[in-house]
Amino acid sequence: KQEVTQIPAALSVPEGENLVLNCSFTDSAIYNLQWFRQDPGKGLTSLLLIQSSQREQTSGRLNASLDKSSGRSTLYIAASQPGDSATYLCAVIGEDDKIIFGKGTRLHILP
Amino acid sequence: DGGITQSPKYLFRKEGQNVTLSCEQNLNHDAMYWYRQDPGQGLRLIYYSQIVNDFQKGDIAEGYSVSREKKESFPLTVTSAQKNPTAFYLCASSIFGTPLGNEQFFGPGTRLTVL
Repeated sequence: KQEVTQIPAALSVPEGENLVLNCSFTDSAIYNLQWFRQDPGKGLTSLLLIQSSQREQTSGRLNASLDKSSGRSTLYIAASQPGDSATYLCAVIGEDDKIIFGKGTRLHILP
Repeated sequence: DGGITQSPKYLFRKEGQNVTLSCEQNLNHDAMYWYRQDPGQGLRLIYYSQIVNDFQKGDIAEGYSVSREKKESFPLTVTSAQKNPTAFYLCASSIFGTPLGNEQFFGPGTRLTVL
């Protein structure tokens, strides 16, 4: 059974620093992996989608990588800003069509 | 503006009542989904629909029901059989009728509280 883990559960970093959020999954038979952002009391906003055949995707200050064989994905945020404060979730879609979400990492950027 | 709308934003229910949460999308997406989010837990799939007039149970369908009479609408009914309905409910959609390779787009959510 696929399990998705995001460590740490919470992270605080000073403004301007680069940071990395981690997502690991136990079954490498995935079709794609999607990173989301969620602000308190709001829905999820899609950030990046990585197909299983891809190694990384970039959007502005965000870069997501995928290593299927090791069951890991990272979300790199460059030059962090207070507006980046939110919970970041990853979701894995398996080849069995099942979608499994991690519990998220709560990020706080200190001004 | 294209997007997904959910209403109401907040909903209060007495024990024993059924309530219906609305989800509408104007993205012309084939697939729609309902998730439940509890504090400290990941999202869990309740029901999904890949095409009009068809829907499938997700991981936690007990105590819930859905319908998909129109492509743009996928209402969720929380019945009195759902033992612990207090949660944040999220609706999503994707272009194609299967999740494979499909980017999911989410609505703003409905917070349901049972009094």
